[in-house]
Amino acid sequence: DIVMTQTPLSSPVTLGQPASISCRSSQSLVHSDGNTYLSWLQQRPGQPPRLLIYRVSNRFSGVPDRFSGSGAGTDFTLKISRVEAEDVGVYYCMQATQFPTFGQGTKLEIK
Amino acid sequence: EVQLVESGGGLVQPGGSLRLSCAASGFTFSDSWMQWVRQAPGKGLEWVSRMDTDGTFITYADSVKGRFTISRDNARNTVFLQMNSLRVEDTAVYYCVKDSSASNWGQGTLVTVSS
Repeated sequence: DIVMTQTPLSSPVTLGQPASISCRSSQSLVHSDGNTYLSWLQQRPGQPPRLLIYRVSNRFSGVPDRFSGSGAGTDFTLKISRVEAEDVGVYYCMQATQFPTFGQGTKLEIK
Repeated sequence: EVQLVESGGGLVQPGGSLRLSCAASGFTFSDSWMQWVRQAPGKGLEWVSRMDTDGTFITYADSVKGRFTISRDNARNTVFLQMNSLRVEDTAVYYCVKDSSASNWGQGTLVTVSS
């Protein structure tokens, strides 16, 4: 199985400041079809997860443009340009190139 | 609007069975891969199973292989998860998830396995 490792596991951020979460996979996530199936999910407290980014850098419908994804191969990053109060929650990376696996989650909280 | 509504969770004794259902609406269900993902209390996300549009391609996590069965009824826009030989460690909220990129999630249904 592909192991997904996120850093940091906890991220205290000041409102209006940027935030960044890294995700590293134990193998390349490039599929035989040429796509890289790496998604980023947000889970607010008491809510189900919600898709933010799919295939590394594509924002899902309705996701604010302060969220962006980048990376390739085994190293990926989620960036929030200016953190807002509603961004508090846990963020997961997820790969679907092979049997789906998730990172451990990164808790974003306001300082 | 995409909607996924899970049902069928509850309290069951170890060794027992449950059948979860997920009713889908707001998209062409027969064109979509569907998945089940679970989350134990206070823990992270764990993928359980996925199937393609007509059931040709089905995969399971090792932790549930041989005990859980995913299926779908495209005429009723519903995906199912039959869970047998349940264990205490299967206790979790079970989410129904649309497609391989996890584009949409239901609210989840809680399964508690306890004596």
